[in-house]
Amino acid sequence: AQSVTQLDSQVPVFEEAPVELRCNYSSSVSVYLFWYVQYPNQGLQLLLKYLSGSTLVKGINGFEAEFNKSQTSFHLRKPSVHISDTAEYFCAVITTGGFKTIFGAGTRLFVKA
Amino acid sequence: SQTIHQWPATLVQPVGSPLSLECTVEGTSNPNLYWYRQAAGRGLQLLFYSVGIGQISSEVPQNLSASRPQDRQFILSSKKLLLSDSGFYLCAWRGVGALNTGELFFGEGSRLTVL
Repeated sequence: AQSVTQLDSQVPVFEEAPVELRCNYSSSVSVYLFWYVQYPNQGLQLLLKYLSGSTLVKGINGFEAEFNKSQTSFHLRKPSVHISDTAEYFCAVITTGGFKTIFGAGTRLFVKA
Repeated sequence: SQTIHQWPATLVQPVGSPLSLECTVEGTSNPNLYWYRQAAGRGLQLLFYSVGIGQISSEVPQNLSASRPQDRQFILSSKKLLLSDSGFYLCAWRGVGALNTGELFFGEGSRLTVL
């Protein structure tokens, strides 16, 4: 079975500072990896995904993530955050050809002025 | 383009009352459909998924049930709500075959409070 661990439940950061949200996964088979963002009282929307190819993937709103197979990690980064990035971020995994997406517990990013 | 609608957005129900949350998808055919629950401060728990009309897979034992009466309609129900059923319920879909881009597309969610 697959699992996802988001290593930080909350990350406070000042505006314009860089941020990294950490995600590790466990799976015995190949997987696809995702980061989603959730604003208060809304559904989730996709930030970026890794299916295959280049291990550095770029997404919306200036976010990027790097797939590291040896460390089974998929950390999310942004070089300079804005107040509007305050939200909850979820890392997720699905096996290739699978039906079920498994989510981490989420990381609440709080950007301070 | 594809859209997903979920309702009601907010619901306050007494313990022991029934529940029906509805979700419909437009602009695609034969999607995989999902119900997730998000409890306060926790991640998303997969409750049910469906790969076709009348086909429901349950992930956790509980007093909830799901049905898929039409290709693009997914319903979450309960006969008698428990306090522990409170949470934020999210419906999602994923394309199949050539329409499968890997990600899930989520509705806006239904917040259920059981008193």
